[in-house]
Amino acid sequence: AQKVTQAQTEISVVEKEDVTLDCVYETRDTTYYLFWYKQPPSGELVFLIRRNSFDEQNEISGRYSWNFQKSTSSFNFTITASQVVDSAVYFCAPFNFGNEKLTFGTGTRLTIIP
Amino acid sequence: DTEVTQTPKHLVMGMTNKKSLKCEQHMGHRAMYWYKQKAKKPPELMFVYSYEKLSINESVPSRFSPECPNSSLLNLHLHALQPEDSALYLCASSRGRVDEKLFFGSGTQLSVL
Repeated sequence: AQKVTQAQTEISVVEKEDVTLDCVYETRDTTYYLFWYKQPPSGELVFLIRRNSFDEQNEISGRYSWNFQKSTSSFNFTITASQVVDSAVYFCAPFNFGNEKLTFGTGTRLTIIP
Repeated sequence: DTEVTQTPKHLVMGMTNKKSLKCEQHMGHRAMYWYKQKAKKPPELMFVYSYEKLSINESVPSRFSPECPNSSLLNLHLHALQPEDSALYLCASSRGRVDEKLFFGSGTQLSVL
C-alpha cells in the first residue's frame, strides 16, 4: 500500500521569510513520480514540479527548491523569500505506475502575512 | 493558448434537475480528466479520457455521466444529484499520458439543493 502524508495542515509566515513544506511518501515501489501542485484562491491547480524516484538531485527554480530523499521517503518544497502571492494550498501528489493514478496528499495551506 | 476553460463557474441545481458541466482545451492534449474537490479536501479523480475513450472510471455513481465529443471537449452530465455532491468540479488535461503534468481549469462550484 502507498501513503502520502503532508503533516502540516496550515502554515503562516511573514513575507520574505523562507518556508518549507513537508511531504512523505511511503511505498514499496521503486519507480514512481512525485508532483507538487499549487492551488491559489482562484481554484485552478498549477503544476510546479515532477520528480522521478531515481533522481535525488535537488532542484531549484527561482525562489522554489525541492529536496528529495528516497531513504526517508521525503520530497520537501522550500520557498525562499516568500511573497504574498505564494499564499495558496500546496499539494504533494505521487503517481503510481501500477494503477496509473495520481493521488493528492491532504495539502498544506500556506498564508504569507504582509 | 495554455488554458483549460470550464463553464459555468457556478451552478445551483435541485435534486431533480439535469445539467451539464463543460470543459474545453485547445492545446492539442489527448487526455482529459474530471476531478471532484470537497471543501478543504484534496481533489479526487472521477474519470479519465484518453484519446476520446473512457480509460478510468473511479466507481463514480451513475448520476454522473461523462462524455468526450472530441479531443478538445469534455462534458459531465448531471442528473438526480444529492446534496452531498456539492463540490468544486475540476477539469484537467495532459498531452497524452496520464503520468504527465496536468493543466487544470478553475472549476465549476456546484451546489445541490
